[in-house]
Amino acid sequence: GAGVSQSPSNKVTEKGKDVELRCDPISGHTALYWYRQSLGQGLEFLIYFQGNSAPDKSGLPSDRFSAERTGGSVSTLTIQRTQQEDSAVYLCASSRQSGPLSYEQYFGPGTRLTVT
Amino acid sequence: GNSVTQMEGPVTLSEEAFLTINCTYTATGYPSLFWYVQYPGEGLQLLLKATKADDKGSNKGFEATYRKETTSFHLEKGSVQVSDSAVYFCALSDRPRTGNQFYFGTGTSLTVIP
Repeated sequence: GAGVSQSPSNKVTEKGKDVELRCDPISGHTALYWYRQSLGQGLEFLIYFQGNSAPDKSGLPSDRFSAERTGGSVSTLTIQRTQQEDSAVYLCASSRQSGPLSYEQYFGPGTRLTVT
Repeated sequence: GNSVTQMEGPVTLSEEAFLTINCTYTATGYPSLFWYVQYPGEGLQLLLKATKADDKGSNKGFEATYRKETTSFHLEKGSVQVSDSAVYFCALSDRPRTGNQFYFGTGTSLTVIP
């Protein structure tokens, strides 16, 4: 596709349920990022994938959060036993490559998660 | 550590007014600096960037100059339009020292009224 796509666009779930959020990066982009944007807050880095390297999970807020990237393309962010404080917009971004220069990130439209 | 601080919003301006959104950063290395914009109902998109000191990024009439001496990257536009209403995020990337993590500010909401 032309850009980063995310699904679903909106998700309402009950507290304690598990949710999966999906990200399809731009074809050929080797780097993929997940961020969380809470109301009135900036973007909070969650996790980063680069090619076949081990992901940088340093931003995951708890062990209820996990992510995987299959085949170096599609990524799934899973939140187990959701809590109300998990309510936020979850953003995915991809970029062409990493290296000594910073490369532009292309963001998806986000998934708005509401935990009731 | 690395961090970005940008001015609190919201900011409301009349059309054709001058805009400044302040951004300062803390970084251990030599970061690249970015401004991203999020229009209502849309995803973030890169507005402009600067990769080294004294570089000026510009796009769509917006400008920002990478000032190492003041660790700043303030966003400016000489004459704003209603269509500029959006949330603006300042960000830095300190590759390769910290891998590929980007650090974003909290965002500044701009509303331009006719």
